[in-house]
Amino acid sequence: DVKVTQSSRYLVKRTGEKVFLECVQDMDHENMFWYRQDPGLGLRLIYFSYDVKMKEKGDIPEGYSVSREKKERFSLILESASTNQTSMYLCASSYTFPNTIYFGEGSWLTVV
Amino acid sequence: DAKTTQPPSMDCAEGRAANLPCNHSTISGNEYVYWYRQIHSQGPQYIIHGLKNNETNEMASLIITEDRKSSTLILPHATLRDTAVYYCIVRVQGGSEKLVFGKGTKLTVNP
Repeated sequence: DVKVTQSSRYLVKRTGEKVFLECVQDMDHENMFWYRQDPGLGLRLIYFSYDVKMKEKGDIPEGYSVSREKKERFSLILESASTNQTSMYLCASSYTFPNTIYFGEGSWLTVV
Repeated sequence: DAKTTQPPSMDCAEGRAANLPCNHSTISGNEYVYWYRQIHSQGPQYIIHGLKNNETNEMASLIITEDRKSSTLILPHATLRDTAVYYCIVRVQGGSEKLVFGKGTKLTVNP
């Protein structure tokens, strides 16, 4: 079975803190993604990566950065957390072909 | 924007088949139909996908009409744990194309 593991299920952080969300996949997938999901807004793509050290901006990259130093690991960084970044964050991965996307269980971040 | 239309909600009795419809009248020849579901507070779970032939796996069956403008996801013996929001998506296969989820169908399986 495909396994996409997100390091933290629930986090509470203070405004202005630097936040790291880690994601690891065990399927040797080329592509990795970070989404956030909010009620009424659906799934929105923050960043994706199609190879080690490569990254592409998604629809809402502002306030976020990413790091992919190893193929299996994709990190999302909130440089200075703000309350409007309170959300559920979803990591996902896929091969380039076929590109069925598999998701992790999600990380619920609350910024106070 | 999502290219699919699904009913907002459906109910099903436990042990019965759940048939979830999806319309995708503008689907292109190289686009596949994918189904995911999301149980409350969890990440979306991949269920099945297909191009034009019917598909079956251990979770569900996918029936795609001959003109490919609609499809039906079938859960043959629904259980309470199948209560979730089900999303039907069309996308090309290959590359790093992102997913675009619509509003999906909230399936409630009743005892």
